[in-house]
Amino acid sequence: EPEVTQTPSHQVTQMGQEVILRCVPISNHLYFYWYRQILGQKVEFLVSFYNNEISEKSEIFDDQFSVERPDGSNFTLKIRSTKLEDSAMYFCASRQDRELRGYTFGSGTRLTVV
Amino acid sequence: AQSVTQLGSHVSVSEGALVLLRCNYSSSVPPYLFWYVQYPNQGLQLLLKYTTGATLVKGINGFEAEFKKSETSFHLTKPSAHMSDAAEYFCAVINQAGTALIFGKGTTLSVSS
Repeated sequence: EPEVTQTPSHQVTQMGQEVILRCVPISNHLYFYWYRQILGQKVEFLVSFYNNEISEKSEIFDDQFSVERPDGSNFTLKIRSTKLEDSAMYFCASRQDRELRGYTFGSGTRLTVV
Repeated sequence: AQSVTQLGSHVSVSEGALVLLRCNYSSSVPPYLFWYVQYPNQGLQLLLKYTTGATLVKGINGFEAEFKKSETSFHLTKPSAHMSDAAEYFCAVINQAGTALIFGKGTTLSVSS
C-alpha cells in the first residue's frame, strides 16, 4: 500500500537553529498537509498546500514557518529559528483529491529543541 | 466552529472485554467524522469514517462507531479487546471548509491480560 514517508524520524536541534522536515507524499496525490502534536496535546493543523501554493494555514503557522515543494516528490516544512515550544511530533499528510477517504498520514518526525 | 472532545484520556480494559472510547463533536455543518489509531512510533492510521448514509460505521480490526446526531456523539466500540489494540486513538472532524482535520486530544487504550 502506498505510504507517506517522513525523514528524519527524530531530530534534535539547538534553539535558534533552522530545521527542515522532509516528506515524500504518495506520488499521485495533489493536496499536502503538515500537522503538529505537542507531547500530551492534540494533533493540530498547521498548513495545507495545493497547486504549488499554500491554500490554508492555521494561527500556529506564523512567519517562522514555510513550506515548499522543491521538486516533483518532496514536500518540506522549514522552521527558521526554532524555539523550545516547537518541540513536537510533526506529521505530513497527503490526499489525491477532495475524497476524504484518501487522506494518508506519515509516521511523523519528532523534533526536539534544546 | 468545529471541535471534538474525547472523554477520558486513558481507558484500561481486560483482554476480551468491551472497548468504548467516547467522542463528542461540535459542528456548524453536517459533520464528517473520523477515528484514527496511532501505534507507538507509527503514523496515524484511519480506523473508520462517517460522511453520510448509514450511521453505524464499521472499520478495520473489528472496530465500529455510531453517529448519533441527537447526542452529537461518535463513540468507538469493539466487542472484545485484544492486546494488539493497545494504542492512542484520536477522534477528528473535518473543518467547515472541508479542507483539514480537527482532532481531539486522544485516548490511550491499555489492554491487560
